[in-house]
Amino acid sequence: NAGVMQNPRHLVRRRGQEARLRCSPMKGHSHVYWYRQLPEEGLKFMVYLQKENIIDESGMPKERFSAEFPKEGPSILRIQQVVRGDSAAYFCASSPQRTDTQYFGPGTRLTVL
Amino acid sequence: SQKIEQNSEALNIQEGKTATLTCNYTNYSPAYLQWYRQDPGRGPVFLLLIRENEKEKRKERLKVTFDTTLKQSLFHITASQPADSATYLCALGGSNDYKLSFGAGTTVTVRA
Repeated sequence: NAGVMQNPRHLVRRRGQEARLRCSPMKGHSHVYWYRQLPEEGLKFMVYLQKENIIDESGMPKERFSAEFPKEGPSILRIQQVVRGDSAAYFCASSPQRTDTQYFGPGTRLTVL
Repeated sequence: SQKIEQNSEALNIQEGKTATLTCNYTNYSPAYLQWYRQDPGRGPVFLLLIRENEKEKRKERLKVTFDTTLKQSLFHITASQPADSATYLCALGGSNDYKLSFGAGTTVTVRA
């Protein structure tokens, strides 16, 4: 029974490049959440998606960031034209329903040079 | 704006002792509070959930209390072991709110 999977685990990008982070939820889970964790800070909510729908993206920066959760395949968090301030750990979580317990993946650590 | 504060200093304790972590919050009325464990380079792992109408919850060596008047939760690890060394995060959620709001975490080190 595989948990939430994220890849890549580590991603290095130069300023101006695009970063694509992938998340495969646990089997049977159709709700996906993305969080960002900066050093010495708590996780911050970014976006909540269900299959093919963005439910809440209130935590996403207005520009350069986008997320999707297609009918088939993993959820993708895309960051265009990355800047150094985007360097962080990005975590995906999933749940079977819109419930209170979320199960987290191992994270993708993005470093922008 | 809402604020969640956990012990600002790391906790360093002897094996066998009880570790007590605090989570205080302001400008928020959570419907539930959760505790997660996070190891270096890993994602948070769910430990316990306690709802606003519950005072205390236990799971094996873990105990959580929730005081909505004081706006505080205490997290206890009894008979601590070196394997309990990790960062512990508290997270708050509302009744209609799937967004978890996390504290910055408290790092616990248990010495053998």
